[in-house]
Amino acid sequence: NAGVMQNPRHLVRRRGQEARLRCSPMKGHSHVYWYRQLPEEGLKFMVYLQKENIIDESGMPKERFSAEFPKEGPSILRIQQVVRGDSAAYFCASSPLKGVDYGYTFGSGTRLTVV
Amino acid sequence: SQQGEEDPQALSIQEGENATMNCSYKTSINNLQWYRQNSGRGLVHLILIRSNEREKHSGRLRVTLDTSKKSSSLLITASRAADTASYFCANAGNMLTFGGGTRLMVKP
Repeated sequence: NAGVMQNPRHLVRRRGQEARLRCSPMKGHSHVYWYRQLPEEGLKFMVYLQKENIIDESGMPKERFSAEFPKEGPSILRIQQVVRGDSAAYFCASSPLKGVDYGYTFGSGTRLTVV
Repeated sequence: SQQGEEDPQALSIQEGENATMNCSYKTSINNLQWYRQNSGRGLVHLILIRSNEREKHSGRLRVTLDTSKKSSSLLITASRAADTASYFCANAGNMLTFGGGTRLMVKP
């Protein structure tokens, strides 16, 4: 039973390009969470999704960032027109039920570098 | 900010010693969770303590929770070099909100 799979592990984009980060939750998990982590810092919540629904996007920047979790396929975090400040590690986590009651399973992250 | 704060930010000990990390939070919680992160990796869930619990054990881990002080502590007993990692507390409101972490180094 594979864990949470994130790809790519490393992504380099030039300023102005688009970045697409993918997350496949654990089998049987229908709740997905995205977090961003800057070096030497904790994780900052971005968005919480269930299949086909955004439950909480209070941590998402208002512009350029979007997330989806379609009925089929992985969850996608999309960053349009990337800027240097978007460079960070982006982690996805999943849970079978409301994760705050049980704990999250994290992927290994995607490290985005904007040059 | 609802973010918790870990204390200390960094801790260096010798193998065999105990390591204690503290966490404070600002809002009411359903539970409080501790996670571990090895360098360059994702977070691994260690232990969850519910708001009506005061202490919980898991192997060499001991977690306490004081809701009146809005604080928790994680104790790792008989530390090993392999325990070297960053440790984060996360308070569970509507979603998990993480603190800045304690970077633990255990010297062999």
